[in-house]
Amino acid sequence: DGGITQSPKYLFRKEGQNVTLSCEQNLNHDAMYWYRQDPGQGLRLIYYSQIVNDFQKGDIAEGYSVSREKKESFPLTVTSAQKNPTAFYLCASSQTALNQPQHFGDGTRLSIL
Amino acid sequence: SQQGEEDPQALSIQEGENATMNCSYKTSINNLQWYRQNSGRGLVHLILIRSNEREKHSGRLRVTLDTSKKSSSLLITASRAADTASYFCATADNAGNNRKLIWGLGTSLAVNP
Repeated sequence: DGGITQSPKYLFRKEGQNVTLSCEQNLNHDAMYWYRQDPGQGLRLIYYSQIVNDFQKGDIAEGYSVSREKKESFPLTVTSAQKNPTAFYLCASSQTALNQPQHFGDGTRLSIL
Repeated sequence: SQQGEEDPQALSIQEGENATMNCSYKTSINNLQWYRQNSGRGLVHLILIRSNEREKHSGRLRVTLDTSKKSSSLLITASRAADTASYFCATADNAGNNRKLIWGLGTSLAVNP
């Protein structure tokens, strides 16, 4: 079955530590996205990528970094510069970045130790 | 930035009743999409309605779009306990920045058995 796999499901970060969230898709989609969701809130866009080796900042990119070396993979690193990283992180993909429906993974919940 | 606003924020109904959720937006759009999110899971795309369409159906879902009022509604008929979830609208901006969706804050629907 095609889909998006996010791992791990739960992640704990120590102060000063960088952590990387994995996102893999086998839908052959060009575009991929990372969102942050806080309790009772909508989705806020962190980064997105329309094609391999290219990515753009979203609305809340500070303290985060990404790479897109392969079409299937779009990992997100939460750096120590992100002072309030506790949230639910969602990865999504779409055929292109232009107005297409997005397919989502089941998220990673990040907490601070 | 969030442009969609869902109304109501929370809705509680009995199984078998209809549920109506509304979404308002601010800018000109290419399309509007509705998604469902079960607790602790990723979002699932339900339906997309284009700016030149007024109504669309999918199973027990009916979506309307009124571009003059910049609003959309999602109707779920004959609701079931399994419909309990949060529902989000997302708009595809038509003002040049069409590489990302703009998300509302969601309506939390509880369907009581």
